[in-house]
Amino acid sequence: QVQLVQSGAEVQKPGASVKVSCKASGYTFTNYAMHWVRQAPGQGLEWMGWINGGNGNTRYSEKFQGRVTMTRDTSASTAYMELSSLRSEDTAVYYCARVDSYGGGWFDPWGQGTLVTVSS
Amino acid sequence: EIVLTQSPATLSLSPGERATLSCRASQSVSRYLAWYQQKPGQAPRLLIYDVSKRATGIPARFSGSGSETDFTLTISSLEPEDFAVYYCQQRRNWWTFGQGTKVEIK
Repeated sequence: QVQLVQSGAEVQKPGASVKVSCKASGYTFTNYAMHWVRQAPGQGLEWMGWINGGNGNTRYSEKFQGRVTMTRDTSASTAYMELSSLRSEDTAVYYCARVDSYGGGWFDPWGQGTLVTVSS
Repeated sequence: EIVLTQSPATLSLSPGERATLSCRASQSVSRYLAWYQQKPGQAPRLLIYDVSKRATGIPARFSGSGSETDFTLTISSLEPEDFAVYYCQQRRNWWTFGQGTKVEIK
């Protein structure tokens, strides 16, 4: 079955960077794009961007443009999301989510989430 | 950016009751609307896509309707496991989510 397993929780200082990984299994990694979504404590869902699993093309939300970099390693079936210049407002759970198999561009399934805490 | 507004923020109901959740878009999203369920400490799960199509494994008590700017998620008879937060999402213009509706036990 399709599974996305993310890296563990991180604590980073303001101004630092964090890189979250998302290892995929159960499907051909290069056939699907991967999205990244974050959720601040007690808040809603915020789309950050996506990466094409095949050619590596990316598109980022304007809010994160210049601070986020999404990459992938096809040999490891793993997608990465790096966020730089961290501030306290970036404290959140970060999710990867694959594009669905229904052909509609929805998010299904999701990884389990990675908590990133930004604190001095 | 297309803004999705969900109402109500909280819905207090008893098991067996019908739940009706609303999602309104700031401009037409055609049929590019989905619903997700999120339980505490878990990732969201896709329930409904393209307004009214159920994702694999989603029970028939979940249904979606609407078009353009006004959409509804209906849970015909609430089961204990349905108490959660529900988000609508559009992909007409990139991707945005509503702020969520919490369905809690009355």
